[in-house]
Amino acid sequence: SAVISQKPSRDICQRGTSLTIQCQVDSQVTMMFWYRQQPGQSLTLIATANQGSEATYESGFVIDKFPISRPNLTFSTLTVSNMSPEDSSIYLCSAQGLDGSETQYFGPGTRLLVL
Amino acid sequence: QKEVEQNSGPLSVPEGAIASLNCTYSDRVSQSFFWYRQYSGKSPELIMSIYSNGDKEDGRFTAQLNKASQYVSLLIRDSQPSDSATYLCAVDTGRRALTFGSGTRLQVQP
Repeated sequence: SAVISQKPSRDICQRGTSLTIQCQVDSQVTMMFWYRQQPGQSLTLIATANQGSEATYESGFVIDKFPISRPNLTFSTLTVSNMSPEDSSIYLCSAQGLDGSETQYFGPGTRLLVL
Repeated sequence: QKEVEQNSGPLSVPEGAIASLNCTYSDRVSQSFFWYRQYSGKSPELIMSIYSNGDKEDGRFTAQLNKASQYVSLLIRDSQPSDSATYLCAVDTGRRALTFGSGTRLQVQP
């Protein structure tokens, strides 16, 4: 089965800085997504990463805060900009189309702590 | 009203029993339904997907879907301590992205 990897797996950052998270899939996929999971909470969709065009953001998430790139069918990045302690979360990428179905499979996540 | 609702639990069952996890959703146009299992500190892993009314079985797991009642459930037979995790119900309303419930924490007592 395909593998989804994320880098970094975890990081501790100072407020006001930015962090870019990378998501790599070892085969081409149709769709990629970014989710956030705050401590003790479920997953919330941040945006759909569109290949070759601007990401589609959910309500409450904006491009200036969470710029996303998807240059090809196997790779995407999420940047968390101008971080505050409220951004401390697990950030998860997912990929759809790995097995020809609508099922989304998740990467291992990036655990972010902002001080 | 939340789009996808689950009882947060914890749901405690003895080893060998059947665990029943329930989920309701509000959007009638929802097409695809998924159950994910998430161990503490890990990312969600797919347990079952279901797309049409009725039951779908895979090993010890059975997913049940009733679109008229907007209800989807997951049964785990012969529950094992290793099944102790948070179970997330996820719904695709046709946008291809998923809306997740808050998750039900399952504890299987040895």
